[in-house]
Amino acid sequence: AQTVTQSQPEMSVQEAETVTLSCTYDTSESDYYLFWYKQPPSRQMILVIRQEAYKQQNATENRFSVNFQKAAKSFSLKISDSQLGDAAMYFCAYRRAYSGTYKYIFGTGTRLKVLA
Amino acid sequence: GAVVSQHPSRVICKSGTSVKIECRSLDFQATTMFWYRQFPKQSLMLMATSNEGSKATYEQGVEKDKFLINHASLTLSTLTVTSAHPEDSSFYICSARVVEVLNTEAFFGQGTRLTVV
Repeated sequence: AQTVTQSQPEMSVQEAETVTLSCTYDTSESDYYLFWYKQPPSRQMILVIRQEAYKQQNATENRFSVNFQKAAKSFSLKISDSQLGDAAMYFCAYRRAYSGTYKYIFGTGTRLKVLA
Repeated sequence: GAVVSQHPSRVICKSGTSVKIECRSLDFQATTMFWYRQFPKQSLMLMATSNEGSKATYEQGVEKDKFLINHASLTLSTLTVTSAHPEDSSFYICSARVVEVLNTEAFFGQGTRLTVV
């Protein structure tokens, strides 16, 4: 069975600084997708970034980038130039590729606080 | 982007009653919708996968008679919590996938907070 682990329940970062959130996962599949979702106080889940396992290049979306280490099964999120609006719960998630069910497996989340 | 709307956003019901939560895809057709439950300060746990026109597929440990799921149209899925008890109090989130567009992820609704008193 696939699992996703986030070992940091809470992180803090100063505004404009950089922070890295950690995630590890376990799977026997070779093709899959990894994600970081943001859940602000509104509770709306927002997709931040997606990484396809077959791609070696790390995904980036503006201030958000990932460090994908497939062999180590590690998938960290780096937030650069942190903004107050980045404060939220961040969930790492996994989905098998070629799966018609589109079943996501989420980690336990990391609460990010941004200090002014 | 695609919009998934849940209603109501908050509901309080008495123990023993049933409550229905709606999940609508507003600008796309969703042959598959998903229902998650999120306990306070915890992750999202998939409860069931809802396919239009067929029975839902429930995850292990989820009581299908307790959590009735109906997906009667391509834009609407409902979750009915039957004979609700305080332990059913939780945050319920639905998501839907845009099947017409390949390689896209599911979009999430804003969630429903259920409180059973």
